[in-house]
Amino acid sequence: SAVISQKPSRDICQRGTSLTIQCQVDSQVTMMFWYRQQPGQSLTLIATANQGSEATYESGFVIDKFPISRPNLTFSTLTVSNMSPEDSSIYLCSVGTGGASYEQYFGPGTRLTVT
Amino acid sequence: AQSVTQLGSHVSVSEGALVLLRCNYSSSVPPYLFWYVQYPNQGLQLLLKYTSAATLVKGINGFEAEFKKSETSFHLTKPSAHMSDAAEYFCAVEGSGGYNKLIFGAGTRLAVHP
Repeated sequence: SAVISQKPSRDICQRGTSLTIQCQVDSQVTMMFWYRQQPGQSLTLIATANQGSEATYESGFVIDKFPISRPNLTFSTLTVSNMSPEDSSIYLCSVGTGGASYEQYFGPGTRLTVT
Repeated sequence: AQSVTQLGSHVSVSEGALVLLRCNYSSSVPPYLFWYVQYPNQGLQLLLKYTSAATLVKGINGFEAEFKKSETSFHLTKPSAHMSDAAEYFCAVEGSGGYNKLIFGAGTRLAVHP
């Protein structure tokens, strides 16, 4: 398994500002993902963070709104830009361990409230 | 495209009773399937997974799930509920494209009564 930490654990931000969320893994991993969990909802994949190249975004999510960095195999950041109250969600980082025994592990999440 | 349907957004059982949480999937290829649990104000914890080995999969905390291809189902069960099982449970299928991303169901909130 992998141990994943996220910073900050929660934040309250004003609309129009941006917040960068950090994700740190205790081992090198190929696959890193960012999910959003809106209040009372399930998880939706925002993007796959690719090491050394641009992130792969899912339909409905764009780089200008959610820029992602992946400078190495243990770290990634997600920025929520120009925030609005609709961005209030839990943002979760996850990592995948490949191969025949594929598993995906999640960080504790960042609870974002936009006022 | 892959998808997951969880029947029942809320399930309520008595302590000691059988827990059954339903999950049906849609996939054009043999799927990888997962159950996760989310306790209040926490991240997701992997309960168990099906990756085309044994169809009956045993996980942590006494949970198990059976993969039934003919029914496209992967229901989660536990013989005897405990108060500490109260949480949100998510079924997920690995998405297509070989990138290992997960597609989640809407979730089922399990309540356990004394």
